[in-house]
Amino acid sequence: DSGVTQTPKHLITATGQRVTLRCSPRSGDLSVYWYQQSLDQGLQFLIQYYNGEERAKGNILERFSAQQFPDLHSELNLSSLELGDSALYFCASSGRDKGEKLFFGSGTQLSVL
Amino acid sequence: AQKITQTQPGMFVQEKEAVTLDCTYDTSDPSYGLFWYKQPSSGEMIFLIYQGSYDQQNATEGRYSLNFQKARKSANLVISASQLGDSAMYFCAMREVFMDSNYQLIWGAGTKLIIKP
Repeated sequence: DSGVTQTPKHLITATGQRVTLRCSPRSGDLSVYWYQQSLDQGLQFLIQYYNGEERAKGNILERFSAQQFPDLHSELNLSSLELGDSALYFCASSGRDKGEKLFFGSGTQLSVL
Repeated sequence: AQKITQTQPGMFVQEKEAVTLDCTYDTSDPSYGLFWYKQPSSGEMIFLIYQGSYDQQNATEGRYSLNFQKARKSANLVISASQLGDSAMYFCAMREVFMDSNYQLIWGAGTKLIIKP
């Protein structure tokens, strides 16, 4: 168990809809990262938050947004969903141990029909 | 330019044999870290091993070891005595500094390892 909690595990929705993915980082970790992994693809970095503030942006679409709350949990909002948004979405957190190792949640499998 | 290169898209290995998964990297930062993660078919990403650029010895974690050759910029993962449960995707990643002390991981494309009984 990595200590990172992601909900829900599976999400099935229709095109044009909006969903929210939730992540609780490992206790004590201030950094939260969101990644997208499409079928047979590597990890695409979306966005990073550190202690409530956006730190870095990757390949995140304008239809997607995220935030980190004072209790350090984070939410990734995906709107106007398209078929191509179907993917596994990971949240990860990091601290100061083991070279800033990322601890990953189990992921949310999003299926857009 | 690719910063992390995993040249083996897929590998088949006989059970109990040793496996070497290749990873080369490119960075001009003297301080960096290298990671290997495993992703089984169930989907979760599992940390395997870490090597810091200043670490004198190659990292080892149980059956996993990292063959770190700094001059060649390679960080190959070695799995000794492979098991059926080792069948998975394996990702190499490099930590680099981004924006002051902020760290980012750069990921390779992965290698799909299949262990044959």
